[in-house]
Formats: sequence, structure tokens, C-alpha cells
Amino acid sequence: DIQMTQSPSSLSASVGDRVTITCQASQDISNYLNWYQQKPGRAPKLLIYDASNLETGVPSRFSGSGSGTDFTFTISSLQPEDIATYYCQQHDNLPRIFTFGPGTKVDIK
Amino acid sequence: QVQLVQSGAEVKKPGASVKVSCKASGYTFTNYYMHWVRQAPGQGLEWMGWINPNSGGTNYAQRFQGRVIMTRDTSISTAYMELSRLRFDDTAVYYCARERSYYDSSGYHDAFDIWGQGTMVTVSS
Repeated sequence: DIQMTQSPSSLSASVGDRVTITCQASQDISNYLNWYQQKPGRAPKLLIYDASNLETGVPSRFSGSGSGTDFTFTISSLQPEDIATYYCQQHDNLPRIFTFGPGTKVDIK
Repeated sequence: QVQLVQSGAEVKKPGASVKVSCKASGYTFTNYYMHWVRQAPGQGLEWMGWINPNSGGTNYAQRFQGRVIMTRDTSISTAYMELSRLRFDDTAVYYCARERSYYDSSGYHDAFDIWGQGTMVTVSS
């Protein structure tokens, strides 16, 4: 099975800072990588699909990049409403299996 | 609007079973796979498996095989997840999530675009 790692596990940054989270797959997953935001007590929300495509309605300060085994998620200018945990997710297609990374908790400094 | 509405919180004893429902509205239920994801208190997201509402076909994460059954009732656009032989560490919020999926020349494009509100299942003696 493909394993996913994320770093850091948590971070604190100031409003307006650029925030970067990395996600690594244990083997090549092409661009089959999504990013989700989860606020406390809420269901996750899709932000980025196929590694770099912004979901409709998601602010443009969120972006993603990467392919193969190494991926990056960026918030260009951190806002107070971005306090959440962020998860990467990969999917195999034969068979169709989905795996989440362990998550990165983002706080305001 | 497109939404998934789940059944209410449950409290079960160890060894019992729980069945959570997920009612879809605002779209054609049989056109999208439905997934189940759980989250133990203070922990991350764990994918449990999927059901194809059109065919009834399923695929479960290895660690749940033999304990989970996913079904659906297309007449009422509802998916179900039943977990048996409950243990204390099954205490979690259980989510259903719709998979948006298509295939083109650049490959597969799969993501969970709509989520239910979550159902808290507590296993306690």
C-alpha cells in the first residue's frame, strides 16, 4: 500500500505569512493528489485536486504543486479564517484505494 | 442544493453493530461513488471504503474487511455503512463523502467534493 507523509505536523504563522506544507508519497502517484481543509468540528472541504487545480469557489491564495512523490501546498498570505488542519490524499486506481496523509495543523502566531 | 445528510449520533456497547445512513439530494445518486471516512477523537482522517450506488459494488480498506458492509437503497438515494463487532477504538466521527470522478486523456480525476455532516459513534460499556 502507498503511504503518505506530511510535514510539518503543525505550524504557527502570522497573518499575511506565506505557509508551505509538504506531502510525500511512498511511490510514484503521478498527480493523483488532493488537498483538504478541516476546521474544528466541521467536515473536510476539498481545496485542490489533481495536485494543482483549485476547486471552484476556493480563494486563490491557496495553491498546490508537484507530481510523482513530492507535493507542496501553499497559502500565499495566511488569513485568520485559514486556521485548520490540512490533509493530503492520494488515490490508486487499480484497485480504487484512497489514503490520507496524517495532517498539518495550522495556527496563528 | 447538493448535500449529504447523515443519521444521528449513536452509543453502542462493545461487540455490537452500528448502521449509519447518508441521504443524498440535489444530484443523481447513482452517478457518483460514495465513500466512508472516519476520524477518531483528536486524530486524522481514515478512509474506510466505497460503494458504487449504481451496481452495489464495494471495496473496503483492508483493516475493515470482514467487519464493514456498505449498502445502498437507490429508491431513497441513501447509502449505509454498517460496522460490526465494535471495539472501544471504533469511537469516532463517521463521514460519508461523494466522489467526483472522470477520466480523460490525462488520466483519472477523483476527489471527494461533497461531505456529510458526520455521525458520532461512541463505543462504551
